[in-house]
Amino acid sequence: QKEVEQDPGPLSVPEGAIVSLNCTYSNSAFQYFMWYRQYSRKGPELLMYTYSSGNKEDGRFTAQVDKSSKYISLFIRDSQPSDSATYLCAMSAIAGGTSYGKLTFGQGTILTVHP
Amino acid sequence: DAGVTQSPTHLIKTRGQHVTLRCSPISGHKSVSWYQQVLGQGPQFIFQYYEKEERGRGNFPDRFSARQFPNYSSELNVNALLLGDSALYLCASSLGQGPYNEQFFGPGTRLTVL
Repeated sequence: QKEVEQDPGPLSVPEGAIVSLNCTYSNSAFQYFMWYRQYSRKGPELLMYTYSSGNKEDGRFTAQVDKSSKYISLFIRDSQPSDSATYLCAMSAIAGGTSYGKLTFGQGTILTVHP
Repeated sequence: DAGVTQSPTHLIKTRGQHVTLRCSPISGHKSVSWYQQVLGQGPQFIFQYYEKEERGRGNFPDRFSARQFPNYSSELNVNALLLGDSALYLCASSLGQGPYNEQFFGPGTRLTVL
């Protein structure tokens, strides 16, 4: 079983739709949760960064973390064609050792927003 | 302000060869991490370096090695290349080494092994 599971999609929505992207995880040591956006053949771009449980909003993007369920979500409101990309969830733990600072990623969800 | 830069952009090698990839972090960042991203998968952690010392290592064979220089730039070396090493190699920089430090990624080096 992978530490982080993410539905690869692909997900196709019309412009203006609300998009919901999700990840589940098994490692209870994860405390930091991130969402990255990756355009084709580019490096990942950090979208949202949250610590522990709760919600965080930034413009059209809202990140939610539910540690009790080991479940995180990213919501995109009023989706635009420019949002078409692969969305990666990532997590890291406080614990040290050889994994200190390591990000563990989901597989990525391919999103297409069509006009 | 410049972001993370990586060179070369693309690289084609044959099996058994050696490759060196380079990364320059964001100015002021002291930590560099390397990730391998195979097509259709999320990035996999290879190494983290902080203040020129290896601070983290992922589940990769000893053919993979790295180092960090006094100016905080970094090199990733891969020996005895295999077809399965074909991937996008990503470098990420952060202010420090801890998990509370946001990691910012470069554009990657696309390695093709024939």
